[in-house]
Amino acid sequence: DVKVTQSSRYLVKRTGEKVFLECVQDMDHENMFWYRQDPGLGLRLIYFSYDVKMKEKGDIPEGYSVSREKKERFSLILESASTNQTSMYLCASSSLHRATEAFFGQGTRLTVV
Amino acid sequence: QKEVEQDPGPLSVPEGAIVSLNCTYSNSAFQYFMWYRQYSRKGPELLMYTYSSGNKEDGRFTAQVDKSSKYISLFIRDSQPSDSATYLCAMSGTSYDKVIFGPGTSLSVIP
Repeated sequence: DVKVTQSSRYLVKRTGEKVFLECVQDMDHENMFWYRQDPGLGLRLIYFSYDVKMKEKGDIPEGYSVSREKKERFSLILESASTNQTSMYLCASSSLHRATEAFFGQGTRLTVV
Repeated sequence: QKEVEQDPGPLSVPEGAIVSLNCTYSNSAFQYFMWYRQYSRKGPELLMYTYSSGNKEDGRFTAQVDKSSKYISLFIRDSQPSDSATYLCAMSGTSYDKVIFGPGTSLSVIP
């Protein structure tokens, strides 16, 4: 069974903390994505990566950075967490030319207090 | 105007009803159309995938694309309580382009 695994289901962090969200996929996919999901706004793309050490900004990269040191792992970093980054964070992966068929992780519900 | 619009619901129907979920979009370059299903506290999963116009059927689910009207639909026949979820439409210009998601429609099927 194919899997995208996010390291935490729920996180509570304080304003100003540096936060790491980890994602691992076991499908040997080239593409990996980080989205945030907010009520009424749907999924918004933060960053994506199509290869190791490669990254591209999505629609809302401000306040975030990413790291992809290995093909199977894609990390999202909140440099200094703020309350407006409270959200559901979803990681996804797909094969290189099949971004339309993405597999998602279970999500991380992050609350910044 | 948002690129992809979708009525957020919630939509509540009795078990066995036919459900129609819809999205409109503004970008005529979209060629790939997807429907994702998201259960509560889970990530989305791909349900249906259609290229260009026309219909595609998979069991109780039918996806329909009308590119001339920039309108896509997902029909669920004989709806079941297990169909209760949020349904997200998504679309893209090519199979490797960025995918644009709608905000999702929340569906409840009442036994």
